[in-house]
Amino acid sequence: QSALTQPASVSGSPGQSITISCTGTSSDVGSYNLVSWYQQHPGKAPKLMIYEGSKRPSGVSNRFSGSKSGNTASLTISGLQAEDEADYYCCSYAGSVVFGGGTKLTVL
Amino acid sequence: QVQLVQSGAEVKKPGASVKVSCKASGYTFTSYGISWVRQAPGQGLEWMGWISAYNGNTNYAQKLQGRVTMTTDTSTSTAYMELRSLRSDDTAVYYCARDHSGYDFGYWGQGTLVTVSS
Repeated sequence: QSALTQPASVSGSPGQSITISCTGTSSDVGSYNLVSWYQQHPGKAPKLMIYEGSKRPSGVSNRFSGSKSGNTASLTISGLQAEDEADYYCCSYAGSVVFGGGTKLTVL
Repeated sequence: QVQLVQSGAEVKKPGASVKVSCKASGYTFTSYGISWVRQAPGQGLEWMGWISAYNGNTNYAQKLQGRVTMTTDTSTSTAYMELRSLRSDDTAVYYCARDHSGYDFGYWGQGTLVTVSS
Protein backbone atom coordinates (compact mmCIF):
# COMPACT_ATOMS: atom_id res chain seq x y z
CA GLN A 1 0.00 0.00 0.00
CA SER A 2 1.56 3.30 -1.09
CA ALA A 3 1.88 6.33 1.14
CA LEU A 4 -0.58 9.16 0.70
CA THR A 5 0.79 12.17 -1.20
CA GLN A 6 1.27 15.47 0.61
CA PRO A 7 3.20 18.58 -0.42
CA ALA A 8 6.61 18.65 1.23
CA SER A 9 6.14 22.17 2.50
CA VAL A 10 3.66 25.01 2.75
CA SER A 11 4.01 28.46 4.26
CA GLY A 12 1.86 31.36 5.29
CA SER A 13 1.92 34.58 7.25
CA PRO A 14 0.26 35.07 10.63
CA GLY A 15 -3.47 35.54 10.26
CA GLN A 16 -3.63 33.91 6.84
CA SER A 17 -5.22 30.58 5.95
CA ILE A 18 -3.40 27.63 4.43
CA THR A 19 -4.56 24.28 3.10
CA ILE A 20 -2.60 21.04 3.05
CA SER A 21 -3.73 18.40 0.58
CA CYS A 22 -3.51 14.64 0.97
CA THR A 23 -4.06 12.58 -2.14
CA GLY A 24 -4.79 8.88 -2.03
CA THR A 25 -6.73 6.47 -4.17
CA SER A 26 -10.23 5.09 -4.50
CA SER A 27 -9.05 2.24 -2.24
CA ASP A 28 -8.20 4.41 0.75
CA VAL A 29 -9.10 8.12 0.99
CA GLY A 30 -11.84 7.78 -1.61
CA SER A 31 -13.49 4.74 -0.03
CA TYR A 32 -13.53 5.51 3.66
CA ASN A 33 -14.41 8.57 5.71
CA LEU A 34 -11.52 7.67 8.01
CA VAL A 35 -8.93 10.32 7.25
CA SER A 36 -7.16 11.78 10.27
CA TRP A 37 -4.61 14.56 10.59
CA TYR A 38 -1.72 14.89 13.04
CA GLN A 39 0.44 17.82 14.11
CA GLN A 40 3.99 17.09 15.22
CA HIS A 41 6.38 19.59 16.72
CA PRO A 42 10.12 18.73 16.68
CA GLY A 43 11.02 16.09 19.23
CA LYS A 44 7.42 15.58 20.28
CA ALA A 45 4.82 12.89 19.74
CA PRO A 46 2.16 13.56 17.11
CA LYS A 47 -1.15 15.10 18.18
CA LEU A 48 -4.53 14.25 16.68
CA MET A 49 -6.08 17.35 15.09
CA ILE A 50 -8.86 15.95 12.86
CA TYR A 51 -10.50 12.52 12.72
CA GLU A 52 -13.11 10.91 10.48
CA GLY A 53 -12.36 13.50 7.85
CA SER A 54 -13.73 16.60 9.52
CA LYS A 55 -14.24 16.06 13.25
CA ARG A 56 -12.17 17.87 15.84
CA PRO A 57 -11.20 16.19 19.12
CA SER A 58 -12.01 18.05 22.30
CA GLY A 59 -9.50 20.81 22.91
CA VAL A 60 -8.42 21.32 19.31
CA SER A 61 -8.92 24.87 18.05
CA ASN A 62 -11.74 25.47 15.58
CA ARG A 63 -9.13 27.14 13.36
CA PHE A 64 -8.39 23.61 12.17
CA SER A 65 -10.83 22.02 9.76
CA GLY A 66 -10.86 18.99 7.49
CA SER A 67 -12.64 18.09 4.30
CA LYS A 68 -12.56 15.58 1.46
CA SER A 69 -13.31 15.58 -2.23
CA GLY A 70 -12.95 12.35 -4.13
CA ASN A 71 -9.55 10.82 -3.40
CA THR A 72 -8.12 14.00 -1.85
CA ALA A 73 -8.47 15.09 1.75
CA SER A 74 -7.53 18.56 2.95
CA LEU A 75 -6.57 20.22 6.21
CA THR A 76 -7.21 23.96 6.45
CA ILE A 77 -5.73 26.13 9.17
CA SER A 78 -7.23 29.59 9.42
CA GLY A 79 -5.90 32.56 11.35
CA LEU A 80 -2.38 31.14 11.19
CA GLN A 81 -0.36 31.50 14.40
CA ALA A 82 3.32 31.05 15.13
CA GLU A 83 2.66 27.92 17.21
CA ASP A 84 1.06 26.23 14.19
CA GLU A 85 4.53 25.84 12.69
CA ALA A 86 5.03 22.07 12.70
CA ASP A 87 4.91 18.96 10.55
CA TYR A 88 1.47 17.71 9.56
CA TYR A 89 0.60 14.16 8.55
CA CYS A 90 -2.55 12.77 7.05
CA CYS A 91 -3.59 9.20 7.63
CA SER A 92 -6.21 6.91 6.14
CA TYR A 93 -7.58 3.49 6.91
CA ALA A 94 -8.00 0.99 4.10
CA GLY A 95 -7.80 -2.41 5.67
CA SER A 96 -4.54 -1.26 7.11
CA VAL A 97 -3.33 2.22 7.93
CA VAL A 98 -1.32 4.44 5.64
CA PHE A 99 0.25 7.82 6.41
CA GLY A 100 1.14 10.66 4.11
CA GLY A 101 4.76 11.68 3.78
CA GLY A 102 4.24 14.78 5.89
CA THR A 103 4.11 18.51 5.20
CA LYS A 104 6.30 21.07 6.92
CA LEU A 105 4.32 24.21 7.70
CA THR A 106 6.36 27.38 8.05
CA VAL A 107 4.77 30.49 9.54
CA LEU A 108 6.59 33.43 7.97
CA GLN B 1 -6.11 11.63 32.44
CA VAL B 2 -5.07 9.17 29.77
CA GLN B 3 -1.37 8.38 29.78
CA LEU B 4 0.79 5.99 27.80
CA VAL B 5 4.26 5.55 29.25
CA GLN B 6 6.81 3.67 27.19
CA SER B 7 9.98 1.86 28.15
CA GLY B 8 13.40 3.43 27.71
CA ALA B 9 15.78 3.70 24.79
CA GLU B 10 17.43 0.55 23.44
CA VAL B 11 20.60 -0.16 21.48
CA LYS B 12 20.63 -3.46 19.60
CA LYS B 13 22.92 -5.25 17.18
CA PRO B 14 21.72 -6.31 13.74
CA GLY B 15 19.86 -9.61 13.92
CA ALA B 16 18.76 -9.11 17.52
CA SER B 17 15.23 -8.54 18.83
CA VAL B 18 13.73 -5.67 20.80
CA LYS B 19 10.60 -5.55 22.94
CA VAL B 20 9.08 -2.16 23.78
CA SER B 21 6.41 -1.74 26.44
CA CYS B 22 3.61 0.79 26.72
CA LYS B 23 1.83 1.09 30.08
CA ALA B 24 -1.61 2.67 29.91
CA SER B 25 -3.49 4.48 32.64
CA GLY B 26 -6.49 6.76 33.02
CA TYR B 27 -8.99 4.65 31.07
CA THR B 28 -10.36 1.13 30.79
CA PHE B 29 -7.54 -0.64 28.99
CA THR B 30 -9.68 -3.28 27.31
CA SER B 31 -12.01 -0.70 25.74
CA TYR B 32 -9.53 0.56 23.13
CA GLY B 33 -7.02 -0.82 20.69
CA ILE B 34 -3.35 0.14 20.59
CA SER B 35 -1.36 0.83 17.45
CA TRP B 36 2.39 1.05 17.07
CA VAL B 37 3.86 3.73 14.81
CA ARG B 38 7.53 4.32 14.11
CA GLN B 39 9.50 7.25 12.76
CA ALA B 40 13.01 6.88 11.37
CA PRO B 41 15.35 9.85 11.92
CA GLY B 42 14.20 12.80 9.83
CA GLN B 43 11.47 10.72 8.19
CA GLY B 44 7.70 10.42 8.33
CA LEU B 45 5.37 8.22 10.32
CA GLU B 46 4.97 4.52 9.54
CA TRP B 47 2.15 2.42 10.95
CA MET B 48 3.36 -0.96 12.16
CA GLY B 49 0.16 -2.59 13.31
CA TRP B 50 -2.72 -2.69 15.78
CA ILE B 51 -3.84 -4.90 18.62
CA SER B 52 -7.19 -5.11 20.31
CA ALA B 53 -6.73 -4.85 24.05
CA TYR B 54 -10.13 -6.54 24.38
CA ASN B 55 -9.40 -9.86 22.69
CA GLY B 56 -5.82 -9.70 21.40
CA ASN B 57 -6.76 -9.62 17.71
CA THR B 58 -3.99 -8.12 15.62
CA ASN B 59 -3.58 -6.41 12.25
CA TYR B 60 0.04 -6.04 11.15
CA ALA B 61 1.47 -3.97 8.33
CA GLN B 62 2.25 -6.29 5.46
CA LYS B 63 5.84 -5.03 5.33
CA LEU B 64 6.52 -6.28 8.87
CA GLN B 65 4.54 -9.54 8.80
CA GLY B 66 6.66 -12.32 10.28
CA ARG B 67 9.02 -9.96 12.14
CA VAL B 68 6.65 -8.16 14.50
CA THR B 69 4.48 -9.42 17.35
CA MET B 70 2.13 -7.27 19.40
CA THR B 71 0.72 -8.46 22.70
CA THR B 72 -1.08 -7.07 25.72
CA ASP B 73 -1.16 -7.88 29.42
CA THR B 74 -4.56 -6.81 30.72
CA SER B 75 -3.52 -7.44 34.33
CA THR B 76 -1.02 -4.58 34.11
CA SER B 77 -2.67 -2.54 31.31
CA THR B 78 0.48 -2.84 29.25
CA ALA B 79 0.95 -3.32 25.53
CA TYR B 80 4.12 -4.77 24.01
CA MET B 81 5.70 -4.67 20.57
CA GLU B 82 8.49 -7.10 19.71
CA LEU B 83 10.48 -6.69 16.51
CA ARG B 84 12.89 -9.46 15.47
CA SER B 85 15.79 -9.77 13.05
CA LEU B 86 16.62 -6.11 13.48
CA ARG B 87 18.33 -4.22 10.66
CA SER B 88 19.92 -0.80 10.57
CA ASP B 89 16.86 0.65 8.86
CA ASP B 90 14.76 -0.33 11.90
CA THR B 91 16.50 2.50 13.77
CA ALA B 92 13.62 4.77 14.71
CA VAL B 93 11.51 6.25 17.46
CA TYR B 94 8.72 3.79 18.22
CA TYR B 95 5.40 5.14 19.50
CA CYS B 96 2.39 3.40 20.94
CA ALA B 97 -0.91 5.16 20.33
CA ARG B 98 -4.43 4.52 21.59
CA ASP B 99 -7.44 4.43 19.32
CA HIS B 100 -9.62 7.53 19.37
CA SER B 101 -12.74 6.47 17.50
CA GLY B 102 -11.41 3.83 15.17
CA TYR B 103 -8.16 3.70 13.25
CA ASP B 104 -7.10 7.11 14.45
CA PHE B 105 -4.82 7.81 17.33
CA GLY B 106 -5.97 10.09 20.09
CA TYR B 107 -3.28 9.47 22.69
CA TRP B 108 0.40 8.77 22.15
CA GLY B 109 3.25 7.51 24.26
CA GLN B 110 6.39 9.59 24.60
CA GLY B 111 8.29 7.42 22.13
CA THR B 112 11.13 4.94 22.51
CA LEU B 113 14.32 5.33 20.49
CA VAL B 114 15.61 2.02 19.18
CA THR B 115 19.05 2.18 17.63
CA VAL B 116 20.32 -0.76 15.59
CA SER B 117 24.05 -0.64 15.14
CA SER B 118 26.96 -3.02 15.04
